[in-house]
Amino acid sequence: QKEVEQNSGPLSVPEGAIASLNCTYSDRGSQSFFWYRQYSGKSPELIMFIYSNGDKEDGRFTAQLNKASQYVSLLIRDSQPSDSATYLCAVIPFTGGFKTIFGAGTRLFVKA
Amino acid sequence: DTAVSQTPKYLVTQMGNDKSIKCEQNLGHDTMYWYKQDSKKFLKIMFSYNNKELIINETVPNRFSPKSPDKAHLNLHINSLELGDSAVYFCASSKAVSDTVHDEQFFGPGTRLTVL
Repeated sequence: QKEVEQNSGPLSVPEGAIASLNCTYSDRGSQSFFWYRQYSGKSPELIMFIYSNGDKEDGRFTAQLNKASQYVSLLIRDSQPSDSATYLCAVIPFTGGFKTIFGAGTRLFVKA
Repeated sequence: DTAVSQTPKYLVTQMGNDKSIKCEQNLGHDTMYWYKQDSKKFLKIMFSYNNKELIINETVPNRFSPKSPDKAHLNLHINSLELGDSAVYFCASSKAVSDTVHDEQFFGPGTRLTVL
């Protein structure tokens, strides 16, 4: 079992729709969860982080964490073509310390 | 004002050669990392350093040797390059001053290494 799993996609949504990106992790003691966005040929950049169970909203983005189910998701409302990128889920495991484990990423296409 | 910079941006070399990649951050962060991103875009941690001290070494071949002369710099030297080393290498930094503080990471632009 991979430590952090994501559906590789591509996920295609029409402009204005809600894009839902999902991630599961294997280390039940993980404490910190991040979503990074990576445009083609560019470096990853942080979209959101979440530490506690529940929802966290920032503009058009909402991160959701369910530690019991070991599941974290990212919702993008009113999707725009500029949201087209690869979204990387990242988890710091309980024993990881300075180690961050990334999922393989989900490619998102937003069609105009 | 570049936060995390890497040189070179592109590196094309022959099998068996030795090469280095340099990384510098001007964010005042305590922790720096090296990641390898393969052709399938999987980003895998190689090393992390905290205050110039090696913290994480993720079963990377001995041909890869990181070096941190100070908190702001983390270089990566690769000996006897192999075809499988072809990838994009990202340097990153974060504030993390201990293993209980988990901050976002800031990534450099990446170095695309091609081994022929």
